[in-house]
Amino acid sequence: KQEVTQIPAALSVPEGENLVLNCSFTDSAIYNLQWFRQDPGKGLTSLLLIQSSQREQTSGRLNASLDKSSGRSTLYIAASQPGDSATYLCAVLNAGNNRKLIWGLGTSLAVNP
Amino acid sequence: DAGVTQSPTHLIKTRGQHVTLRCSPISGHKSVSWYQQVLGQGPQFIFQYYEKEERGRGNFPDRFSARQFPNYSSELNVNALLLGDSALYLCASSFVRGRYNEQFFGPGTRLTVL
Repeated sequence: KQEVTQIPAALSVPEGENLVLNCSFTDSAIYNLQWFRQDPGKGLTSLLLIQSSQREQTSGRLNASLDKSSGRSTLYIAASQPGDSATYLCAVLNAGNNRKLIWGLGTSLAVNP
Repeated sequence: DAGVTQSPTHLIKTRGQHVTLRCSPISGHKSVSWYQQVLGQGPQFIFQYYEKEERGRGNFPDRFSARQFPNYSSELNVNALLLGDSALYLCASSFVRGRYNEQFFGPGTRLTVL
């Protein structure tokens, strides 16, 4: 059974810092891994998707890596800004017919001015 | 292009009532999935529909049902509401092509059961 874990559960950093969020999963039979952002009381915004055959994806100040064999992904945020404050969730799409996303509990990020 | 849309945005019901939530996928997407997110938790998979057929079901009671229409929009129905059904209900649409399957989410419907 696929399980996704995110560490840390919460993070508070001063503006301008570079930071890393971690995601681990137990079953490497995945099609892809997605990182999402969720603002309080809001829906989910897809940040980056990494296919199982890829090692990393970049979008602006965000870089996500994937090591499928070890079941790990990291989301790197460069030069953090107060507007980055949100909860960051990672989810893996299991291989097979039942293509459901399996989610971590998220990392709550606060970037302080 | 419009993203995934959901209606209503907020809903308040009482225990025992029935609710219908609606979702319109991104144009060209034939797959719709439903997730329940309880406050402070990650989303939990409820259903996936592809080409109007149910392709996956999560660990939810039979009070939860869904369907997909010919235009690929979808409804999620919940009968005999319980207090524990209070959550954010998220709909995701995706364009499935081989192993490529990126899911795009709507803003969600916030359901409160009193």
